[in-house]
Amino acid sequence: AQSVAQPEDQVNVAEGNPLTVKCTYSVSGNPYLFWYVQYPNRGLQFLLKYITGDNLVKGSYGFEAEFNKSQTSFHLKKPSALVSDSALYFCAVRVDTGRRALTFGSGTRLQVQP
Amino acid sequence: NAGVTQTPKFQVLKTGQSMTLQCAQDMNHEYMSWYRQDPGMGLRLIHYSVGAGITDQGEVPNGYNVSRSTTEDFPLRLLSAAPSQTSVYFCASSPSSVNTGELFFGEGSRLTVL
Repeated sequence: AQSVAQPEDQVNVAEGNPLTVKCTYSVSGNPYLFWYVQYPNRGLQFLLKYITGDNLVKGSYGFEAEFNKSQTSFHLKKPSALVSDSALYFCAVRVDTGRRALTFGSGTRLQVQP
Repeated sequence: NAGVTQTPKFQVLKTGQSMTLQCAQDMNHEYMSWYRQDPGMGLRLIHYSVGAGITDQGEVPNGYNVSRSTTEDFPLRLLSAAPSQTSVYFCASSPSSVNTGELFFGEGSRLTVL
């Protein structure tokens, strides 16, 4: 079985400050990890993924995520938040074998204040 | 390039009625899937398909039926709608490469069952 936990329902940050959205996972096997963003009344959009290699992954819109195998975490980060980053963020995981179904976390709402 | 197209965007049903949510993609993706999104629960996989003529159940398949007669289309049928099926439904597709895992989402179909 595979699962994802996003411990924060909402994260508030001031514009220009660094942001972190937390994600921990549980899988049997090597994980493929993903971050998606959802803007109001839209579908999810892919931000970045970790498959293998460098633990720091860079993605769209200046976001990056750090894979930490010992802590089974994959936190999303950005050095300087923008008001336009306000959205719902989902972490997702799947194992490297078998069917390609992603398991999603419950989502974290990011609110960036001007 | 339209990507993943879902219709209808909104639908209201009465308990016991049936309907079909349509999903079409023009990217020649082999993998297609249906998720439902409920507040605080993230996205849960209903059914998926790895190619024309092949479908399989996801995490919450009860009350839903799918078929995949062509690469492009993956309709989701509600056989006898129940209030518990009130949700936002997303169709997503992915290229055939096993190692990508990146999903392309439609904009969603909001279903209300009275």
